[in-house]
Amino acid sequence: DGGITQSPKYLFRKEGQNVTLSCEQNLNHDAMYWYRQDPGQGLRLIYYSQIVNDFQKGDIAEGYSVSREKKESFPLTVTSAQKNPTAFYLCASSRGTENTGELFFGEGSRLTVL
Amino acid sequence: AQKVTQAQTEISVVEKEDVTLDCVYETRDTTYYLFWYKQPPSGELVFLIRRNSFDEQNEISGRYSWNFQKSTSSFNFTITASQVVDSAVYFCALSEVYTGANSKLTFGKGITLSVRP
Repeated sequence: DGGITQSPKYLFRKEGQNVTLSCEQNLNHDAMYWYRQDPGQGLRLIYYSQIVNDFQKGDIAEGYSVSREKKESFPLTVTSAQKNPTAFYLCASSRGTENTGELFFGEGSRLTVL
Repeated sequence: AQKVTQAQTEISVVEKEDVTLDCVYETRDTTYYLFWYKQPPSGELVFLIRRNSFDEQNEISGRYSWNFQKSTSSFNFTITASQVVDSAVYFCALSEVYTGANSKLTFGKGITLSVRP
């Protein structure tokens, strides 16, 4: 079945450590996105990529980094510079130039920093 | 700047009641899309509907219906005869549309709907 796979589902890390969240899609979508969800805050865009080897900052990119070396993969690194990294992270993808905003989401990764 | 406001944060109803989830948006664009997504306890968001800014017709899909009114910048979602399985967080979202490029979504803060048996 086509879809988006995020791993790990749950992750615990000590303060000051970098952590990388994986996102893989087999939908052949061009665009991929990372959103952060906090209780009562909705979803906020961290980074997005419209094509391989290209990505743009979203609304809350500080303390995060991404790469897009393959069409199927868009990993997110939460660095030690992110001041409040504990959150639920959602990866999404969408089709190419005909896209009108419909996103397909993974099941999310819940990061807890101790 | 674009903004989506979901003033209701939590709604609790008894099964079989009708419930309306409100969404108000702000944008300077003349062309845009509006969405509703459902987030069940599993976590992933599920697409429910997309409506473009030129189409103000109401839409009905089974027990779900949507009312889009540009005059009040609202895109409300009604569930008729609610069921326990409707319990979830519901997000309204607005997309910017750039020619030849993918769009980004601005989400509201979500409404937690609890349907009691």
